[in-house]
Amino acid sequence: EPEVTQTPSHQVTQMGQEVILRCVPISNHLYFYWYRQILGQKVEFLVSFYNNEISEKSEIFDDQFSVERPDGSNFTLKIRSTKLEDSAMYFCASSVGGAHTEAFFGQGTRLTVV
Amino acid sequence: KQEVTQIPAALSVPEGENLVLNCSFTDSAIYNLQWFRQDPGKGLTSLLLIQSSQREQTSGRLNASLDKSSGRSTLYIAASQPGDSATYLCVPQGGNTPLVFGKGTRLSVIA
Repeated sequence: EPEVTQTPSHQVTQMGQEVILRCVPISNHLYFYWYRQILGQKVEFLVSFYNNEISEKSEIFDDQFSVERPDGSNFTLKIRSTKLEDSAMYFCASSVGGAHTEAFFGQGTRLTVV
Repeated sequence: KQEVTQIPAALSVPEGENLVLNCSFTDSAIYNLQWFRQDPGKGLTSLLLIQSSQREQTSGRLNASLDKSSGRSTLYIAASQPGDSATYLCVPQGGNTPLVFGKGTRLSVIA
């Protein structure tokens, strides 16, 4: 069964360093998303991406964050200068259509900023 | 702004029991509602998707119902098993707005 794949599963980085989280969405999906979940808290929306551009972003998604679809299969989230409060589980998701179609999530990347 | 409330926040039941998880949401203008399961420290697994035109959806031992006008959904789990232990998340989807998550219901099924 097709699935969303995220790498790495766990990343530890020093404060101030840049990190890139990688995702391979399901191949025929057109809409891509990043969400995050700080330990013990709700899952929060970061950004949605369609047709090679950001379609919506939350207030969390500030200038330190960027997304890219560098080729036909990968979808990446870059955090330019990590802060301690960026420590969280980051989930990539994809869907065939927009928010009215079923979303499939990856297993997440646990980011720990030290 | 959509808000999701799930009751109970936590539930512990003996194996074999049938149980119901409740979800309410404030904005009934939704296209569909998705139920997810999250194991500790893991990703989100989609369980069921109910379209707004549907009243219920079934998958194996799971049955989800939707009352869009009253902003409610329930997830019924039949004959619960220890492997069902997880957090269950109800996620209404409206228009092109992002998914809005509540805190979920943390279920423990005791063998």
